[in-house]
Amino acid sequence: TQLLEQSPQFLSIQEGENLTVYCNSSSVFSSLQWYRQEPGEGPVLLVTVVTGGEVKKLKRLTFQFGDARKDSSLHITAAQPGDTGLYLCAGAVMDSGYALNFGKGTSLLVTP
Amino acid sequence: DAGVTQSPTHLIKTRGQQVTLRCSPKSGHDTVSWYQQALGQGPQFIFQYYEEEERQRGNFPDRFSGHQFPNYSSELNVNALLLGDSALYLCASSTTSAQGTQYFGPGTRLLVL
Repeated sequence: TQLLEQSPQFLSIQEGENLTVYCNSSSVFSSLQWYRQEPGEGPVLLVTVVTGGEVKKLKRLTFQFGDARKDSSLHITAAQPGDTGLYLCAGAVMDSGYALNFGKGTSLLVTP
Repeated sequence: DAGVTQSPTHLIKTRGQQVTLRCSPKSGHDTVSWYQQALGQGPQFIFQYYEEEERQRGNFPDRFSGHQFPNYSSELNVNALLLGDSALYLCASSTTSAQGTQYFGPGTRLLVL
C-alpha cells in the first residue's frame, strides 16, 4: 500500500481567496487522480494526471503532477462557495491493476 | 448515458448478519472496483473485478467477497457483520485502458447495529 499524505487537513477561507492543497508520497505512481466529494455522496472525478511535470487546468482549478510522479498539488483561484467540499487525491500503480490509494482528504469551506 | 449506479442507498443490519450490495458500471466499462469509506477517512480499496474474476485485492478479510456478472455488473458480499463494517461502500467503474481513471457511484451507506 502506497501512503498518500494530504495537507492541509482542513481549510476555511473567504470567497475570492486563492488556495493550494498538497498531496505527497514517497512512492511513485503511474497516475494520480483528484476527486471532490460532498457529504454522503460518491467522489466526483476532477482530473487524471499521468506524466511527470504535467499541468492541467479546469476553469479556476489548476492541477500539477510532480516531476518524479510522487506528489501533486491542486490550486484554486478566486474560490467560490460552490467549491466547498472534500478534496481527495488518489494514486494508482499499473502493477496493482490501477487500484486507487487515497489520501485522507482536505475539507474545504468557502464562506461568502 | 447513465453513470455508475448502486443499490440499495441505505441499509441497516445487525451484528452477525450478511449483506449484499450491488453495482452497475458506466456503459462501456468492464472493470469494477469496490471501496470502503469510514467516516472522516478516504476510501480504502477492497477488491477489483475484471472478466468475472477478482484481479486485485486490498487488505480486507475473507468475510468480504464479490462477484462480477457477464454484463459487468458486480456484487459485494459481507458475511458475519461487525460494528466496524459500518461505512459508505463505494463502487467505481473503469476500462482497462483508463490508467487509473475511475468513476464512482453514489455509494451504499451501511449501518451495523
